[in-house]
Amino acid sequence: AQKITQTQPGMFVQEKEAVTLDCTYDTSDQSYGLFWYKQPSSGEMIFLIYQGSYDEQNATEGRYSLNFQKARKSANLVISASQLGDSAMYFCAMREGTSGTYKYIFGTGTRLKVLA
Amino acid sequence: ETGVTQTPRHLVMGMTNKKSLKCEQHLGHNAMYWYKQSAKKPLELMFVYSLEERVENNSVPSRFSPECPNSSHLFLHLHTLQPEDSALYLCASSQRDRANTGELFFGEGSRLTVL
Repeated sequence: AQKITQTQPGMFVQEKEAVTLDCTYDTSDQSYGLFWYKQPSSGEMIFLIYQGSYDEQNATEGRYSLNFQKARKSANLVISASQLGDSAMYFCAMREGTSGTYKYIFGTGTRLKVLA
Repeated sequence: ETGVTQTPRHLVMGMTNKKSLKCEQHLGHNAMYWYKQSAKKPLELMFVYSLEERVENNSVPSRFSPECPNSSHLFLHLHTLQPEDSALYLCASSQRDRANTGELFFGEGSRLTVL
């Protein structure tokens, strides 16, 4: 069974608007971490934001926030005030296991296009 | 210096060639990874090295051979590849300890084309 699900293959958003990228996950671990990465056309995966499973507050990093709903097993990325440079692939990922045996699982990604 | 550097950025090889991909990290991390990224597929973990010992090999074909001579360098040796091995190969590093969120830091990738 797929452990990270991103149901939106592609999204469009108008510049300066907010956009939500969906991510649901599946794990039986109590301790896990959730990440979002951005991949521009250059290929490099850029870390955006992290949410730990025990964190009670939603993570925020500048224009990025993570809407963490633990009971629903969802970890949606919200980008506020979209910019043209936000156009890229976005990947949700989950880290399972203990520090010595971390495993990282990625979703299939969402391609975001910001329109001028 | 960028955190994680991969060379070459682009590689074209025939099925009978032998080549290597190189990854170097300047972050002082203790774990390094090789991922394969194919179109419309999730990133596939190939190999993980922690403290220079291979801790995971996700049933990767033997035509891919990793080498981790020290904590800063990781190689992926390629031989007798198939056209379906054409993909973007991403190297990543992380710091594996309790005090760290453990996010992966990626290189820009090596785009491999097998003819």
